[in-house]
Amino acid sequence: QLQLQESGPGLVKPSETLSLTCTVSGGSISSSSYYWGWIRQPPGKGLEWIGSIYYSGSTYYNPSLKSRVTISVDTSKNQFSLRLGSVTAADTAVFYCARLTWPTWFDPWGQGTLVTVSS
Amino acid sequence: QSALTQPASVSGSPGQSITISCTGTSSDVGGYNYVSWYQQHPGKAPKLMIYDVSKRPSGVSNRFSGSKSGNTASLTISGLQAEDEAEYCCCSYAGSSTYVVFGGGTKLTVL
Repeated sequence: QLQLQESGPGLVKPSETLSLTCTVSGGSISSSSYYWGWIRQPPGKGLEWIGSIYYSGSTYYNPSLKSRVTISVDTSKNQFSLRLGSVTAADTAVFYCARLTWPTWFDPWGQGTLVTVSS
Repeated sequence: QSALTQPASVSGSPGQSITISCTGTSSDVGGYNYVSWYQQHPGKAPKLMIYDVSKRPSGVSNRFSGSKSGNTASLTISGLQAEDEAEYCCCSYAGSSTYVVFGGGTKLTVL
């Protein structure tokens, strides 16, 4: 059974870079059938797609976040990662990683990790 | 502000049916048959309930169904049960520059 687990700091200072990793277990991140995505949810608000990546390294970003986002993949570790730069309090959210069957079939999801932006 | 518009809340009694709407534009919902729906209980990760407008993943109850008309997609839950009380969010493909958009979510209360 495929499982995803997010990891990374729970607290990031304003103007710094948020970095998270999603570790995939129970399946290969190099499967040609799937992409891998990051989605966030600010407290009390709705879901926002951040971006997605294919195992080959091809990336697809939310235009509103594109200038600050980098998603990368490490097939040797079965992981993919998110970097979000120049964060502000508005970036405080629960961040989820998920497997994506193109274009909008996100399943399964990781449990999510809360990242707070505060000094 | 979310790209797709959903009602903030809906409610129904056990055994009844409810429908949640998800309104977009011809650039997303209306332009592609790629709408998915997610159920989210408090403090939990979203769960896929419907994909490609009307397809149900294995393990999802057939009480859940999806449809689309023009720029509006709908999720219908029949035979409401207490366990259906959750937040429901729609998601649509939005073309090769925007890619993915979500709705703001709808809180379903089972009375």
